Amino acid sequence: TQLLEQSPQFLSIQEGENLTVYCNSSSVFSSLQWYRQEPGEGPVLLVTVVTGGEVKKLKRLTFQFGDARKDSSLHITAAQPGDTGLYLCAGANQGGKLIFGQGTELSVKP
Amino acid sequence: DAGVIQSPRHEVTEMGQEVTLRCKPISGHDYLFWYRQTMMRGLELLIYFNNNVPIDDSGMPEDRFSAKMPNASFSTLKIQPSEPRDSAVYFCASSPFLGQGHEQYFGPGTRLTVT
Repeated sequence: TQLLEQSPQFLSIQEGENLTVYCNSSSVFSSLQWYRQEPGEGPVLLVTVVTGGEVKKLKRLTFQFGDARKDSSLHITAAQPGDTGLYLCAGANQGGKLIFGQGTELSVKP
Repeated sequence: DAGVIQSPRHEVTEMGQEVTLRCKPISGHDYLFWYRQTMMRGLELLIYFNNNVPIDDSGMPEDRFSAKMPNASFSTLKIQPSEPRDSAVYFCASSPFLGQGHEQYFGPGTRLTVT
């Protein structure tokens, strides 16, 4: 069974701080995605990484796919209250099905 | 496009009752997914359809759960009889294709409470 473990599970920081969320597995994934979910809503795709070692930037968010395609990280620079939410990583297996991590609940206080 | 539409948004029912959750996917999307989200287990895939045909239902917890997709614009997830442990947020998602880099578009979810 493919599993994705996210850490930390909860993160509470002050506005302006930097943070990194990790997504790890013992399995190889064909691609990995990061979603953000706000209360009362469904997850929304932020980014997809496909190639081992790939780095993508989305404004203050930097996403990296591990060289072996088993892990990923999300780094936020100068976090803002608007970044508050649940961040989910999801790995796609060979059949394309998504396996989701447990999520990281981020709270950014002004 | 209005996005994925789910109804109802909230459902409260008593143990033993039948519950039906509804989903309208984005027009033109060939794949439809049903997920369940709980604090303990996170987001779990229950079943997915391709062109209205169930492809993988290995995530359906037990026979009390059933899902149908009678046409390309409508799907239901039914729980009969419902139990308190079924309390969760149920999401429907759709996608134009399945494979590397595909994006799933999620609905707002149905929060189910079984008392």
